[in-house]
Amino acid sequence: NAGVTQTPKFRVLKTGQSMTLLCAQDMNHEYMYWYRQDPGMGLRLIHYSVGEGTTAKGEVPDGYNVSRLKKQNFLLGLESAAPSQTSVYFCASSYGDRDLLNTGELFFGEGSRLTVL
Amino acid sequence: AQKITQTQPGMFVQEKEAVTLDCTYDTSDPSYGLFWYKQPSSGEMIFLIYQGSYDQQNATEGRYSLNFQKARKSANLVISASQLGDSAMYFCAMREPNTGGFKTIFGAGTRLFVKA
Repeated sequence: NAGVTQTPKFRVLKTGQSMTLLCAQDMNHEYMYWYRQDPGMGLRLIHYSVGEGTTAKGEVPDGYNVSRLKKQNFLLGLESAAPSQTSVYFCASSYGDRDLLNTGELFFGEGSRLTVL
Repeated sequence: AQKITQTQPGMFVQEKEAVTLDCTYDTSDPSYGLFWYKQPSSGEMIFLIYQGSYDQQNATEGRYSLNFQKARKSANLVISASQLGDSAMYFCAMREPNTGGFKTIFGAGTRLFVKA
């Protein structure tokens, strides 16, 4: 079972370049999230989506944009990368509010390590 | 604002012994969920255990149990009979209550080292 798949796994960018991280889930989850992980700070929510065509800001949204054109995909974009965006990025998904299986458990991808020089 | 605090940056435990990882949380809402996730050196995030705020009993999953003390707002993870494979980073997390999308906030994590 694929679960949550992130691409690419590694990327090195120069300051000012743009890129897109792709997240795909095959569990038919309603909700999807993008987090970043930095040493000593745990995971911080960048943006999230409660359904196809909807997105919302999380704790640290500046410098990022997202889109969810299809239920199974959630894209994270960096329009003009900065060294402060060097981080490990995790995509996650979960069941929706109306799903009886939902406890809020997050299903994570393997992470994408981004370095901005 | 909701907050998760893990005060132990690192912990050591002898193999086969039990260890408790501390977690305190802050919320004014009566409905919330608490989680523990494990992150081994390979980097993936692994769900360990879940406790709902209205659950009367402490959650258990195999060697993992969550010591839930609601009045003290603590949700400590207890790992019994530690194994070398338990060496990892452990994150306590809380689902922000009554928010669409089940936003989850994380603590800074505790790195556990299991000694042979």
